[in-house]
Amino acid sequence: EAAVTQSPRNKVAVTGGKVTLSCNQTNNHNNMYWYRQDTGHGLRLIHYSYGAGSTEKGDIPDGYKASRPSQENFSLILELATPSQTSVYFCASGASGLGYEQYFGPGTRLTVL
Amino acid sequence: GDSVTQTEGLVTVTEGLPVKLNCTYQTTYLTIAFFWYVQYLNEAPQVLLKSSTDNKRTEHQGFHATLHKSSSSFHLQKSSAQLSDSALYYCALSEGTNKVVFGTGTRLQVLP
Repeated sequence: EAAVTQSPRNKVAVTGGKVTLSCNQTNNHNNMYWYRQDTGHGLRLIHYSYGAGSTEKGDIPDGYKASRPSQENFSLILELATPSQTSVYFCASGASGLGYEQYFGPGTRLTVL
Repeated sequence: GDSVTQTEGLVTVTEGLPVKLNCTYQTTYLTIAFFWYVQYLNEAPQVLLKSSTDNKRTEHQGFHATLHKSSSSFHLQKSSAQLSDSALYYCALSEGTNKVVFGTGTRLQVLP
């Protein structure tokens, strides 16, 4: 049974439109993360959260917002989508502390036309 | 800030031969943990092995790695590559702030 799920799995959006990517985890982990994956860049951290109500900027936060309304849910919001945000987005959860690995969701393929 | 370097974008090896994927890092933290994640085609990354102990060999699924703080390295090795090992491999560093720094990834291609 998948512990980290993402929706939608595929999304086509128009430039200037609003996009919301959702993530749910049943691991009861405090930490959640949003990454984008692009060839040549690997996994780049967009936003992360230490718990419900908290969000922190990652390495590439520009153009993205995040929301953590509960322990289980973490959303990534693109208020004004641009073609440069076309990518595969992964959500992950992890326990607090050193040495704990992250568990990834299946990914969302976003295309902005 | 912290950084992880994977110098090879693509490593090609013949089945049955040894393989080594390089990973080096820079950090100011003394207490660190390292991970290798593997991502198979059209799947999510998953942890392959991890270590936080200097000079201790860690093994999983035939792969092994040793954290060497003296040389800031955590290279991944396997003595005999299999076709099923073809995947994208990420090296990642955690220094306890709950944020993990990933390398850019190395694609391993195992040829018959």
